[in-house]
Amino acid sequence: KQEVTQIPAALSVPEGENLVLNCSFTDSAIYNLQWFRQDPGKGLTSLLLIQSSQREQTSGRLNASLDKSSGRSTLYIAASQPGDSATYLCAGIYNQGGKLIFGQGTELSVKP
Amino acid sequence: ETGVTQSPTHLIKTRGQQVTLRCSSQSGHNTVSWYQQALGQGPQFIFQYYREEENGRGNFPPRFSGLQFPNYSSELNVNALELDDSALYLCASSLVGGATDTQYFGPGTRLTVL
Repeated sequence: KQEVTQIPAALSVPEGENLVLNCSFTDSAIYNLQWFRQDPGKGLTSLLLIQSSQREQTSGRLNASLDKSSGRSTLYIAASQPGDSATYLCAGIYNQGGKLIFGQGTELSVKP
Repeated sequence: ETGVTQSPTHLIKTRGQQVTLRCSSQSGHNTVSWYQQALGQGPQFIFQYYREEENGRGNFPPRFSGLQFPNYSSELNVNALELDDSALYLCASSLVGGATDTQYFGPGTRLTVL
């Protein structure tokens, strides 16, 4: 069964800290992996998409990596800010145009 | 802004009623997927429509049904509402067959069943 897991469920850090969010998946035959941000009660904002042939993607202070052999992806956030407070979700997709399989999310709180 | 819109924003229904949720996909996209997100959980795949045909379905009963129209907008219909149907319903549009099939999400419809 294809499953995606995110640990921890919640994380609180002081402003300015660098942090890593973890995502693991059971089936290494992943097509691509996508990281999303969700603000309370809102929809999902796509942050980064990593194709199976790629190892990492970067956008501003965000860097996402993908290691298919270990079934892991990480989202690195540099110099965190209070505005980064949100729930971060990772989702795997196993074929082109297929469904997204989501983790439960990590709720991040960045304290001023 | 993703260009994906959903209506209504919020909806309150009672058990046994029927509901229709709407999604307008991003211009140029040919695929719409629907997800259900219960409070504190990740979204769960309901089904996907590609060029007006159902193209995959998750573990949801037949009372969840959908349509995709020639302009690629979509509807999600839920019959015989149950309390557990209370959730945020998200639609996502994508261009299958394009350079990237990133899914872009709308703001969601919050459904409350009393």
